[in-house]
Amino acid sequence: AQSVTQPDIHITVSEGASLELRCNYSYGATPYLFWYVQSPGQGLQLLLKYFSGDTLVQGIKGFEAEFKRSQSSFNLRKPSVHWSDAAEYFCAVGSWRGSTLGRLYFGRGTQLTVWP
Amino acid sequence: ETGVTQTPRHLVMGMTNKKSLKCEQHLGHNAMYWYKQSAKKPLELMFVYNFKEQTENNSVPSRFSPECPNSSHLFLHLHTLQPEDSALYLCASSQDRGSSGPIKNIQYFGAGTRLSVL
Repeated sequence: AQSVTQPDIHITVSEGASLELRCNYSYGATPYLFWYVQSPGQGLQLLLKYFSGDTLVQGIKGFEAEFKRSQSSFNLRKPSVHWSDAAEYFCAVGSWRGSTLGRLYFGRGTQLTVWP
Repeated sequence: ETGVTQTPRHLVMGMTNKKSLKCEQHLGHNAMYWYKQSAKKPLELMFVYNFKEQTENNSVPSRFSPECPNSSHLFLHLHTLQPEDSALYLCASSQDRGSSGPIKNIQYFGAGTRLSVL
């Protein structure tokens, strides 16, 4: 069965520091991977996605993620964190069911706190 | 602005009330979803509608009743809820490619309705 694990429930970094949020997935075929961000009181906003091709994908707000098939990982990174990046981050894997609509499986999320 | 609008943003209701949540998408998508987000739990997919037909119901109690009159609108009718149903209810939409290949399911989310059941 498909599943997503985000090992870190809460991460705290200083503004300007680098950031890496971990995501591991379990999926029997080629995964479609996503990172979403949720600010307080808001819905989920798509940061970036991986379908195929280059394993390093760029997203919005200066984020990037790298797909590593051998490690079943899709970690999110940012070289320099801004205070406005404080939010909850969700990793998700998309399934494929032939010609019917797929679905997303979400991790539990990682809450990011940024110190000034 | 994601193109998915949910109303109301906040709702407080008693256990005997009947209320409805509304979701509207302006993206031309043909699939819509209801999710429940509770504190300290992963997002729970509740219902999926594809071309107005319900394609998934994840063992959701009957006190939640979805309605999808067209591809742009989705409702969640609520009645005799329990306090544990208090949560953020998120709506999402996507475009089902309908092809025989993999579905690149990019879902766009609304801001959610924060529901409190007293």
